[in-house]
Order: sequence, then C-alpha cells, then structure tokens
Amino acid sequence: TQLLEQSPQFLSIQEGENLTVYCNSSSVFSSLQWYRQEPGEGPVLLVTVVTGGEVKKLKRLTFQFGDARKDSSLHITAAQPGDTGLYLCAGARKNNQGGKLIFGQGTELSVKP
Amino acid sequence: DVKVTQSSRYLVKRTGEKVFLECVQDMDHENMFWYRQDPGLGLRLIYFSYDVKMKEKGDIPEGYSVSREKKERFSLILESASTNQTSMYLCASSLKTPWGLLHFGNGTRLTVT
Repeated sequence: TQLLEQSPQFLSIQEGENLTVYCNSSSVFSSLQWYRQEPGEGPVLLVTVVTGGEVKKLKRLTFQFGDARKDSSLHITAAQPGDTGLYLCAGARKNNQGGKLIFGQGTELSVKP
Repeated sequence: DVKVTQSSRYLVKRTGEKVFLECVQDMDHENMFWYRQDPGLGLRLIYFSYDVKMKEKGDIPEGYSVSREKKERFSLILESASTNQTSMYLCASSLKTPWGLLHFGNGTRLTVT
C-alpha cells in the first residue's frame, strides 16, 4: 500500500515555466520532507516542514504543508535546467524513532532550455 | 558535512551468489538504513538499525539480511541473489531525532544475471 501518493510522476517543461508537485496521503504525518536526487547520486534533503499550514521558501522553491498534515506541495517558479532531477517527498509518522520515513513514488522533472 | 560512503557504485552478480553491500558513515549517527529504489516505486525500506548489533525489518526484508557490528558500518547481505533483486540500493544514516533527516550515500546499482 502506497501511503504517499506523489503526482505527477513525470513532468517535462520549458525553462521559465512554473510547476507544482503534489504529495498526498490519507494519513497524518508529524513532519514531511522533500528530497532531490540527481542521476548517479543519492537523494539530498531540500526542506522539512513540521507544522500544519507551514510554508517554506528556498529561492525559487516554495514548500507547503497542509493544514491537516496529510499533504504537501512543492512549487517551482521560473524553472531552470538545473532544477532537473527526481523529487521525492517523505513523511515521518508520529512516534517516529528517527529516519523511518515513508516515501512517495517520486516526480521526474525535466526542464528543457 | 556528513559523508555516507557505499563501497561499490556498480556490481554485477550471478543468480545464487551471496552479495555483500557495505556502507560507512562518518558522523556518529545512531540510525542507519538500507533502501532499494525502483522506477515508479520510490524508495522502499529493507532494513534499519537504531544501534550497534540491533536491526529491524523494514517493508521488504525478504531475501535480505543485515549486520551492524560497529556504529559507523551497516552491511546489507543478499544470501542468494535473484534477478528480482536487480535494483539501486541506497544506504542512509540519521541522528535519532523525531524528524529523521536522512543523509544518503550515492547508491550501488546491482545487476543480478
């Protein structure tokens, strides 16, 4: 059972366009993390959101945690080729002992110049 | 910066062979994890460890075992490799915090023929 549904799975856009990636669940998470993975490398943490309704910005990336802490979104403004990669959301359940995360399937983003 | 090092980037093994994947982290993290990554399935947890000589099954432990004799080292063992174990294997470590921020290695791409 996939507890975190990520959409879309694939996204191919032109440089300068905006995009949003969604991460949805019927379960409540104590925190949610977003990772980016480039080819040949392991995922790298971008951000962690822990409070319902929280919004965090990282340059052109905006992350939001849903009020009920069941969903999250990643919005990229004016995408650049350097944003190309696999984006993964991961949720931590309550009483998590640290690191036992549930991952979404990932969104493969390609930004063409 | 935390460094998580996986001993091999690429491995090719034959069906039935015993395979060892090694992972070492240099930041004294309590938690260590082994994931496998397959297209469209995201990351799936195989085994994890919260302390030396301690291990717990993840979501897909069948066909795998692990060893953690020292805090910095976590080994994944495929007792008798099969073709359905062809995958990307990712090791990660984290501090024992509620949010479990994972630091990943660069992965081992294993092909079983």
